[in-house]
Amino acid sequence: KAGVTQTPRYLIKTRGQQVTLSCSPISGHRSVSWYQQTPGQGLQFLFEYFSETQRNKGNFPGRFSGRQFSNSRSEMNVSTLELGDSALYLCASSSRGATYTEAFFGQGTRLTVV
Amino acid sequence: AQTVTQSQPEMSVQEAETVTLSCTYDTSESDYYLFWYKQPPSRQMILVIRQEAYKQQNATENRFSVNFQKAAKSFSLKISDSQLGDAAMYFCAYRSARYGGGADGLTFGKGTHLIIQP
Repeated sequence: KAGVTQTPRYLIKTRGQQVTLSCSPISGHRSVSWYQQTPGQGLQFLFEYFSETQRNKGNFPGRFSGRQFSNSRSEMNVSTLELGDSALYLCASSSRGATYTEAFFGQGTRLTVV
Repeated sequence: AQTVTQSQPEMSVQEAETVTLSCTYDTSESDYYLFWYKQPPSRQMILVIRQEAYKQQNATENRFSVNFQKAAKSFSLKISDSQLGDAAMYFCAYRSARYGGGADGLTFGKGTHLIIQP
């Protein structure tokens, strides 16, 4: 069974640009969540999607957005990039049926804003 | 909001020895999940062990076991017979068991860097 796949693995963008990151969950998983990891703030929850609906959202500005498609694949978008957005962005999927199961993480996308 | 605290930024242990990583959390909820994740240099987060708060029995996965003290809000990870491959950052994480999972997804501690001395 294939794991969670995130693309691209590495990205370099210029301040002010926008970026889209992609996440393909484990087959059969309907919940996808996103996390930002930085040395200073650690791991922070961005948002979670289930069946194409955003269920939960962390404390991030509106520049951070996401969506989920009918095949459960998810994208997150960051507009008007700032230097502080440089981070490792991790995507996780879970089956999220009646009982929550553990989240399985992808290898992450390393975003560098210059 | 829930908080997770890992008070040991770094721990070092000799290969084949036993090490315990500490984690405390703060929550007003009674039903939740706790996890230990491992993040090696490859950066992929790997689930080590999970614990449901309603279960009194401590979870065990091969060389990994937890000491879950619900009243004390403590969730430590014990690694027995440490191996070089265990070297990584270890994160303790909390998730509400409320329907919808709560507003915060997984709440992580700051992590403990585990060094294995050969």
